[in-house]
Amino acid sequence: EAQVTQNPRYLITVTGKKLTVTCSQNMNHEYMSWYRQDPGLGLRQIYYSMNVEVTDKGDVPEGYKVSRKEKRNFPLILESPSPNQTSLYFCASSTGWDTDTQYFGPGTRLTVL
Amino acid sequence: EDKVVQSPLSLVVHEGDTVTLNCSYEVTNFRSLLWYKQEKKAPTFLFMLTSSGIEKKSGRLSSILDKKELFSILNITATQTGDSAVYLCAVETDQTGANNLFFGTGTRLTVIP
Repeated sequence: EAQVTQNPRYLITVTGKKLTVTCSQNMNHEYMSWYRQDPGLGLRQIYYSMNVEVTDKGDVPEGYKVSRKEKRNFPLILESPSPNQTSLYFCASSTGWDTDTQYFGPGTRLTVL
Repeated sequence: EDKVVQSPLSLVVHEGDTVTLNCSYEVTNFRSLLWYKQEKKAPTFLFMLTSSGIEKKSGRLSSILDKKELFSILNITATQTGDSAVYLCAVETDQTGANNLFFGTGTRLTVIP
């Protein structure tokens, strides 16, 4: 089954404790992306990757890092989480970035205390 | 299992045509339904619908929600080539105080001159 998986689905952590949210897709997609969803602000793109070893900043990259060492995985790293990073995070993938449907993961709810 | 289904998957029309995109859902604890337009790197927000029967309009786009029959439609009148995009429907749910978001796989609209 074609899918995008994220782990963990729920995470509560404390300020400053490094964490990683994993994202994996099994569709051999080149384009992958991370978003955060906050009430009243809609989806905002954090980082995206056009292919292996090619990543770029989205609209709200501050406080986040990503890596793309393999095509299928695109982890989101918070080196020193802060409470304003409490949000619902989505990973997505698609064959290309230009007018291709993105397949979204199930979401990760992160709470930073 | 919560799910969001969009139809048709793909649509090709001529400029000036009117199109109707469909989104049906089966979720627990419905909170809102959102429409996004995805044409480049990230989806852009179009509408949020929470109440049945109240049409939201923005220029040539309009949308309405039917919470009894569990669907929404997005209408685009007098289509233009700039309307070519993937249109995503997402449903927000409220689960024990935390919201979640479920995406459909989108409808790809192509408007030809």
